[in-house]
Amino acid sequence: ELKVEQNPLFLSMQEGKNYTIYCNYSTTSDRLYWYRQDPGKSLESLFVLLSNGAVKQEGRLMASLDTKARLSTLHITAAVHDLSATYFCNLGRDYGGATNKLIFGTGTLLAVQP
Amino acid sequence: DAGVIQSPRHEVTEMGQEVTLRCKPISGHDYLFWYRQTMMRGLELLIYFNNNVPIDDSGMPEDRFSAKMPNASFSTLKIQPSEPRDSAVYFCASSFTGGLSDTQYFGPGTRLTVL
Repeated sequence: ELKVEQNPLFLSMQEGKNYTIYCNYSTTSDRLYWYRQDPGKSLESLFVLLSNGAVKQEGRLMASLDTKARLSTLHITAAVHDLSATYFCNLGRDYGGATNKLIFGTGTLLAVQP
Repeated sequence: DAGVIQSPRHEVTEMGQEVTLRCKPISGHDYLFWYRQTMMRGLELLIYFNNNVPIDDSGMPEDRFSAKMPNASFSTLKIQPSEPRDSAVYFCASSFTGGLSDTQYFGPGTRLTVL
């Protein structure tokens, strides 16, 4: 059974601090997506990581992918309140395979405190 | 582009009633996905279509749920009869495989409450 696990599930951090969210998955995949969901809102795409070693950065967020370890990280630098949201990882569709990889991680609820 | 459009945004109904949720994907997108989100179960894929054809409906919880995509610009998710445990936010998303990635673009969701 395919599993996509995120940790932590909940993260309360102070403004200005750094932290990392982890996404582990149990099957091979050459790509990984990160999405953000604000409270009561829909999901929006943050990053698309398309190969082993891929690193993407936007503002205070940086995402990376290690396909050999089946691990992606979302690093937060000098957090600000506006980053408070729930963050999800997802493997996307399985190109040509039989496995449905459209499983979202459990989500990490990030609360940035002043 | 207007993005993925869903209607209604909110639906309150009584147990046993039929509920129809609607989705208009982004023009040109060839994949359409229906998800359900609850606190207990998180975000679950119900079904997805490619070029209007259902590809995987293994996430549809039971026969009370059905989905159709009669053309490239419209899809429905129907629940008949509805039950209180169907209360959730239902998201529709679409994606395009012609680019480097197939990022999913989500609609605003329909919040369904079954009394």
